[in-house]
Amino acid sequence: AQSVTQLDSQVPVFEEAPVELRCNYSSSVSVYLFWYVQYPNQGLQLLLKYLSGSTLVKGINGFEAEFNKSQTSFHLRKPSVHISDTAEYFCAVSDRVNNNDMRFGAGTRLTVKP
Amino acid sequence: NAGVTQTPKFQVLKTGQSMTLQCAQDMNHEYMSWYRQDPGMGLRLIHYSVGAGITDQGEVPNGYNVSRSTTEDFPLRLLSAAPSQTSVYFCASSLLADSDTQYFGPGTRLTVL
Repeated sequence: AQSVTQLDSQVPVFEEAPVELRCNYSSSVSVYLFWYVQYPNQGLQLLLKYLSGSTLVKGINGFEAEFNKSQTSFHLRKPSVHISDTAEYFCAVSDRVNNNDMRFGAGTRLTVKP
Repeated sequence: NAGVTQTPKFQVLKTGQSMTLQCAQDMNHEYMSWYRQDPGMGLRLIHYSVGAGITDQGEVPNGYNVSRSTTEDFPLRLLSAAPSQTSVYFCASSLLADSDTQYFGPGTRLTVL
């Protein structure tokens, strides 16, 4: 089965600084890739997803991610973060053969400081 | 649209008790799923359904049962609760299973004493 590793459990940054949240995946088949965000005491919301085509995917709230097949990575980036971006971010993968089974990473807690 | 709703928001059980976590969606989505979220482990898929009458096991199905008699509802049953089932439970739905965006409910925080 596929799996996801989020390399940082916590990422503290100052407001207006750039940020990168790292995600690596493992799968024996082609995959779909997702980033979800969870604000405190809420469910998850989709930020962006990679299905096919351009490897640079743009999402909501100014976030983008780049699919790198050779490095099996899907890192999330934002050039300038806001206090409101403080949340937990989850990378997820589903394979194109059995896409009923989505696997999530352990999450990265992004804290934006003033 | 209310989206995905879950009840209750909080629940405390004693070991051995049974209960049902409710999940409903009003978006006419075919695919519904249940996850549990534990610290440091992200979300893990418990059970899922690709349509009314069809369910299947996910990554961590033991101790949980599901059924899908209608498109809208997908309840999760704990037959005999154990402390290891203390977690936050999320229900999600999507139009299709294939690469589609999942919409998540607000979650149920369950504590088993």
